[in-house]
Amino acid sequence: SYVLTQPPSVSVAPGKTARITCGGDDIGSRPVHWYQQKPGQAPVLVIYYDSDRPSGIPERFSGSNSGNTATLTISRVEAGDEADYYCQVWDNNNDHFGTGTLVTVL
Amino acid sequence: EVQLLEVGGGLVQPGGSLRFSCGASGFTFSGYAMTWVRQAPGKGLEWVSAISGSGDSTYYADSVKGRFTISRDNSKNRVYLQMNAVTVEDTGVYYCAKRGSGGSCDYWGQGIPVTVSS
Repeated sequence: SYVLTQPPSVSVAPGKTARITCGGDDIGSRPVHWYQQKPGQAPVLVIYYDSDRPSGIPERFSGSNSGNTATLTISRVEAGDEADYYCQVWDNNNDHFGTGTLVTVL
Repeated sequence: EVQLLEVGGGLVQPGGSLRFSCGASGFTFSGYAMTWVRQAPGKGLEWVSAISGSGDSTYYADSVKGRFTISRDNSKNRVYLQMNAVTVEDTGVYYCAKRGSGGSCDYWGQGIPVTVSS
């Protein structure tokens, strides 16, 4: 099974930058996707194909992927960005989700 | 506008069966793979199953292989999940999602709760 490891939590002050990592074996060779999930709501795709943003997602959200780590970066963090974030990879005919990271805005 | 609406969840006893579905609109349904993802109470996302646009190819997580069956009816724009031999570990909210670029899930339903309890 392909394991994707994320930090359980990240805390950030408003206006600062949050970086959420997703570690996996040679993850840089696979497309990585990121989801935001707020309490009681369905997940929302915020980054696909490592660094592309769906329409309607602010430019403050960006992504990168290389080696064994993919990273979701949220610039100029706002209170509304407080949520759980999950990475996802399709590998060997299976989907794999990361363990999830709670972003807390201080 | 893409819309996905799950129906048919509920309470089921351990060892029992449950079937629910997801209706889709706003896109050419047969042109896209679909997937089911679940979330146990207070836990993270867990992929359950996926099906190709034609329905010819199906994929399952090890945790449900042999017990769950995914299917679709492209004439009705619906995808189904048949759950058999359920256990308490199958409790959670089940989401259907449309597959997009690179295997992403670009649209999600609102989720449907499934509770396995005696």
